[in-house]
Amino acid sequence: AQSVTQLDSHVSVSEGTPVLLRCNYSSSYSPSLFWYVQHPNKGLQLLLKYTSAATLVKGINGFEAEFKKSETSFHLTKPSAHMSDAAEYFCVVRMGYNNNDMRFGAGTRLTVKP
Amino acid sequence: DVKVTQSSRYLVKRTGEKVFLECVQDMDHENMFWYRQDPGLGLRLIYFSYDVKMKEKGDIPEGYSVSREKKERFSLILESASTSQTSMYLCASSPIYDVWGPDRPGELFFGEGSRLTVL
Repeated sequence: AQSVTQLDSHVSVSEGTPVLLRCNYSSSYSPSLFWYVQHPNKGLQLLLKYTSAATLVKGINGFEAEFKKSETSFHLTKPSAHMSDAAEYFCVVRMGYNNNDMRFGAGTRLTVKP
Repeated sequence: DVKVTQSSRYLVKRTGEKVFLECVQDMDHENMFWYRQDPGLGLRLIYFSYDVKMKEKGDIPEGYSVSREKKERFSLILESASTSQTSMYLCASSPIYDVWGPDRPGELFFGEGSRLTVL
């Protein structure tokens, strides 16, 4: 079955330390992949997207993600966490060629300690 | 800037009431979506529309209907609200996904959400 797995439901880091949020997927297609961020009581905001142009994708707010086809992974990283990064993060994968074939990971809640 | 606007951020309704949730996008996108988001269940697709007057059921359409009379507007209707429909509702729009165009992955643009409480 095609799926998206976010390996950690909760990640806690100290301000100024690196962030790693992990995402693995399984798909029969060459997927498009996305990371979204959601702050409390807000909608989801697009952080970055992978579209096969480059395996290392840079996004907003200093985040980046690397697509590794052999590992079927698309992990999100940031060199130095900021307090404002505390939020829920969703890995989203386009699983097929229909316009509604988007699958969401369960989300990872990032906590940033002072 | 891209914008998806949901008309109501917070609503409180009573069981049995008819509820309308409105969503408007200004990006001329073909596709529009309604999701609901619940703790522990993630985002689930209720309905999807790929053109004016066209719609497809998502994963959980029961108890909901939709209307898309104009390209920019997509409404979610709860004919008779129930307490089980207390949730956060998210509207999204996207351009058409172009399988041959790497720069057109059809990413979703979300509104701020409508938090509905049914008493």
